Amino acid sequence: EAQVTQNPRYLITVTGKKLTVTCSQNMNHEYMSWYRQDPGLGLRQIYYSMNVEVTDKGDVPEGYKVSRKEKRNFPLILESPSPNQTSLYFCASSDPGTSGGRSYNEQFFGPGTRLTVL
Amino acid sequence: DQQVKQNSPSLSVQEGRISILNCDYTNSMFDYFLWYKKYPAEGPTFLISISSIKDKNEDGRFTVFLNKSAKHLSLHIVPSQPGDSAVYFCAATGWAGNQFYFGTGTSLTVIP
Repeated sequence: EAQVTQNPRYLITVTGKKLTVTCSQNMNHEYMSWYRQDPGLGLRQIYYSMNVEVTDKGDVPEGYKVSRKEKRNFPLILESPSPNQTSLYFCASSDPGTSGGRSYNEQFFGPGTRLTVL
Repeated sequence: DQQVKQNSPSLSVQEGRISILNCDYTNSMFDYFLWYKKYPAEGPTFLISISSIKDKNEDGRFTVFLNKSAKHLSLHIVPSQPGDSAVYFCAATGWAGNQFYFGTGTSLTVIP
């Protein structure tokens, strides 16, 4: 089954304690992204990656790091989490263009990670 | 500043009637527009999209209209069904397809 998986699904942590949220996709997609969803703000892109070892900042990158060492994995790292990073996080993957009938730029999203930083 | 805006946080429609969800954008460089549907406790799922070279795209009960001069797009659902009740996000991207800008979402409730 084609899917994007994220772990953990729920996480409560304290300020300053480094954490990593993992993301993995099994569709061999080139593009991967991380988003955060906050009330009244919709989804905002944190970082994106166009391929292995190619990453770039999205709209709200401050306080986050990413890496793309393998095509299927795109972990999100919070080196020193703060309460304003309490949010719902989504990972997504896509392949630009058309492939197998899929639409151009269609992104597949993971189920989300609910993060609370105390 | 929000480059993609959905000014209606919520919408209620009777089953069988038309649902119209609206979206406005400010960046004329956007090349491709998408609508996503989101149920609680799940990630968004792709619904329908439209390229900037078109003004309409249809897929079953879902039609997206694009008015480039007004920088406005809309999603029409006909007929609306209770299973359509969800939050709908409008999104836009440029030609590279790597940076995406989402609206704040519209919560649609279809009343049986």
